[in-house]
Amino acid sequence: GQQLNQSPQSMFIQEGEDVSMNCTSSSIFNTWLWYKQDPGEGPVLLIALYKAGELTSNGRLTAQFGITRKDSFLNISASIPSDVGIYFCAGHLMEYGNKLVFGAGTILRVKS
Amino acid sequence: DVKVTQSSRYLVKRTGEKVFLECVQDMDHENMFWYRQDPGLGLRLIYFSYDVKMKEKGDIPEGYSVSREKKERFSLILESASTNQTSMYLCASSWDRATGANVLTFGAGSRLTVL
Repeated sequence: GQQLNQSPQSMFIQEGEDVSMNCTSSSIFNTWLWYKQDPGEGPVLLIALYKAGELTSNGRLTAQFGITRKDSFLNISASIPSDVGIYFCAGHLMEYGNKLVFGAGTILRVKS
Repeated sequence: DVKVTQSSRYLVKRTGEKVFLECVQDMDHENMFWYRQDPGLGLRLIYFSYDVKMKEKGDIPEGYSVSREKKERFSLILESASTNQTSMYLCASSWDRATGANVLTFGAGSRLTVL
């Protein structure tokens, strides 16, 4: 199946620091989505990207759809304790039907 | 405000038991999905459905079946549960035909332990 490489696998950062994570693939994607999963809950959509080069913000979160259509990054500025959780990237390949391909996730832990 | 509801949050079953995981969505979405989540492996697609009475295998369908008798309901069935099916199961739906939005909305998850 298609693969998304998400990094880093986990992060342990100081409150107030900026955070960056990314996903790369050898395949071309038509959409990139970033989800966050709080402990014990299902993933919730943070940002959706639909065009190559698109840069979108949602509060302290910023995500970009790479120009090559093979990568995306998510930045979190000035992290706070409630940012803890697992962040997933997901890519939508039209040739793959309506299914999304998910990265393995980045576990974020914030030191207060 | 709940949109995708998984009726069982926590289940404990014995090896060989038949297990039903129910999922209901109230957004009139066309597509529904069942994923399995395991540490370090992310979300893996088990089965999905584009329409009532329609189903397609995902990446890891072995040991599972599904049923979609009504548009809003998608059930995951483990015919004979095994310990390696201990996992978090996530249901999701997508495709709002009215708006064209095709983004997955997830339920809260069902954590299954098979002893």
